[in-house]
Amino acid sequence: EVQLVESGGGLVQPGRSLRLSCAASGFTFDDYAMHWVRQAPGKGLEWVSGINWNSGSIGYADSVKGRFTISRDNAKNSLYLQMNSLRAEDTALYYCAKVLTPKWFYDAFDIWGQGTMVTVSS
Amino acid sequence: QSALTQPASVSESPGQSITISCTGTSSDVGSYNLVSWYQQHPGKAPKLMIYEGSKRPSGVSNRFSGSKSGNTASLTISGLQAEDEADYYCCSYAGSSSWVFGGGTKVTVL
Repeated sequence: EVQLVESGGGLVQPGRSLRLSCAASGFTFDDYAMHWVRQAPGKGLEWVSGINWNSGSIGYADSVKGRFTISRDNAKNSLYLQMNSLRAEDTALYYCAKVLTPKWFYDAFDIWGQGTMVTVSS
Repeated sequence: QSALTQPASVSESPGQSITISCTGTSSDVGSYNLVSWYQQHPGKAPKLMIYEGSKRPSGVSNRFSGSKSGNTASLTISGLQAEDEADYYCCSYAGSSSWVFGGGTKVTVL
């Protein structure tokens, strides 16, 4: 079964850092681009960042550029999001998502995890 | 990276059809045939319903269809059923390795 499990969320003070992880199983992880998408409480989806299968292409939303860093460890079947200089507006449920087609970056997100909640508050 | 524009809500009776619009710009929806649609029930993760504008993933009902004209993409749900009541989001590739979502549309089955 294809599965994505996020972890690392929690309560953090503004200005501090947090690192999210996404453990993948049930598919050949290093064949697929991966993304982070977030959803603030009661709000819509917001794309955060994406990385292709070999980390050769990476993108960020303007709202997180310069503060967040996406990475992956294909040997560990894991995706990461390093979040620095956190702000109250970063408070959200963070989902990791796999793309539909192997070796294709510009693709839809076909499998999603259940998310990990990040709350930024003093 | 401005959010794509969707109607906040759409309501219709069971068995009828609805169409949800998703308006972007020539930099995103209008430039790429890379619009996808997601269904999200309360407390659940999103589910992919349409990709590349009009293609359905395996297992998605053929009551769901997608199209695009210019800078506007559309999702049509025919034969509306109670289980279709959910939030729907469009998403488009926006160039420079970035993606943008719409604000979401709440579908109510009367």
